[in-house]
Amino acid sequence: EAQVTQNPRYLITVTGKKLTVTCSQNMNHEYMSWYRQDPGLGLRQIYYSMNVEVTDKGDVPEGYKVSRKEKRNFPLILESPSPNQTSLYFCASLTSDSPYEQYFGPGTRLTVT
Amino acid sequence: GDSVTQMEGPVTLSEEAFLTINCTYTATGYPSLFWYVQYPGEGLQLLLKATKADDKGSNKGFEATYRKETTSFHLEKGSVQVSDSAVYFCALRAQGSYIPTFGRGTSLIVHP
Repeated sequence: EAQVTQNPRYLITVTGKKLTVTCSQNMNHEYMSWYRQDPGLGLRQIYYSMNVEVTDKGDVPEGYKVSRKEKRNFPLILESPSPNQTSLYFCASLTSDSPYEQYFGPGTRLTVT
Repeated sequence: GDSVTQMEGPVTLSEEAFLTINCTYTATGYPSLFWYVQYPGEGLQLLLKATKADDKGSNKGFEATYRKETTSFHLEKGSVQVSDSAVYFCALRAQGSYIPTFGRGTSLIVHP
């Protein structure tokens, strides 16, 4: 089954404790991205990657890092989480052919206290 | 830059009512247009799409027509069900770009 998986689905952590949210897709897509979803603000893109070893900032990259060492994986790293990073996070990948549909993971609910 | 504007929600309807969720966009050229749906506790999934002017996308009883002259892609359904309760996102992908632009989402609540 074609899918994007994320782990963990739920995470509660404390300020300053480094964490990683993993993302993996099995569709051989080149383009992957991370979003955060907040009430009243919709989806905002954090980072995206056009291919292995190619990453770029989205609209709200501050406080986040990503890496793309393999095509299938695109982890999101919060080196020193803060309460304003409490949010719902989605990983997504994009088909390689027009019209370039996005496939989303199930989401990770992060709470930083 | 490119942008998508959706009507603010929540939209609250009774079962079997007619649904319209408005979406207008700003983009150069001929973007591709999408509607995504997010059911409670889940990620977004593609509902329907249209890639050129006057195309009609349809799926699960939902329809939307790509109107270039009014830069709109309104979502409609003739008879909603409780199971349609979700958040609906309009999105575009500009010509020549991979990166999609999303609207803020419209919450739909359908009562029995």
